Amino acid sequence: NAGVTQTPKFQVLKTGQSMTLQCAQDMNHEYMSWYRQDPGMGLRLIHYSVGAGITDQGEVPNGYNVSRSTTEDFPLRLLSAAPSQTSVYFCASSYEGSPLHFGNGTRLTVT
Amino acid sequence: SQQGEEDPQALSIQEGENATMNCSYKTSINNLQWYRQNSGRGLVHLILIRSNEREKHSGRLRVTLDTSKKSSSLLITASRAADTASYFCATDARASGTYKYIFGTGTRLKVLA
Repeated sequence: NAGVTQTPKFQVLKTGQSMTLQCAQDMNHEYMSWYRQDPGMGLRLIHYSVGAGITDQGEVPNGYNVSRSTTEDFPLRLLSAAPSQTSVYFCASSYEGSPLHFGNGTRLTVT
Repeated sequence: SQQGEEDPQALSIQEGENATMNCSYKTSINNLQWYRQNSGRGLVHLILIRSNEREKHSGRLRVTLDTSKKSSSLLITASRAADTASYFCATDARASGTYKYIFGTGTRLKVLA
């Protein structure tokens, strides 16, 4: 099993550009989520999903969209990148009541 | 505001000493988890404690949970320089039939050799 795979590992965007961060898991987990972590800070929940076709907002959803068309994939879309979205993004998945499995993160810089 | 608040924000101890960090949360939970993050790396799961458990051990780690106070503590005994990392609690905040995992603000632990 590959676990949780995030791509890309690094990305530089100009203000106003859009892009999609990819997240895939091969563990048949129903729960998937996206977090952002700013320097020296904790993880803040952006969006999450408890199953295919079901998504909901987390703590900091503005400026991001998600969809969950399959159990395996949970892409995060930045609609119009802003410097405030410079951060490290983590995708995680789990079964209910079980530990979260994290991807290795995507380091995004918006100039 | 975040579901979990941790204190202290930073902790510096000598090797061999014990380190205690605390986590408080706001809503009802089914479980609480602790994670470690080394600088610039991903998160590593340490312990999961369920709401009907009061204490759990794993090696040098001891976690307690007090659901009446909505708080948990992580104790690392006989700390080592390799324990230097940030530690986060995460709770499965529940509302309206769904659940989501919310992280605390973290404690940065530095163990001095």
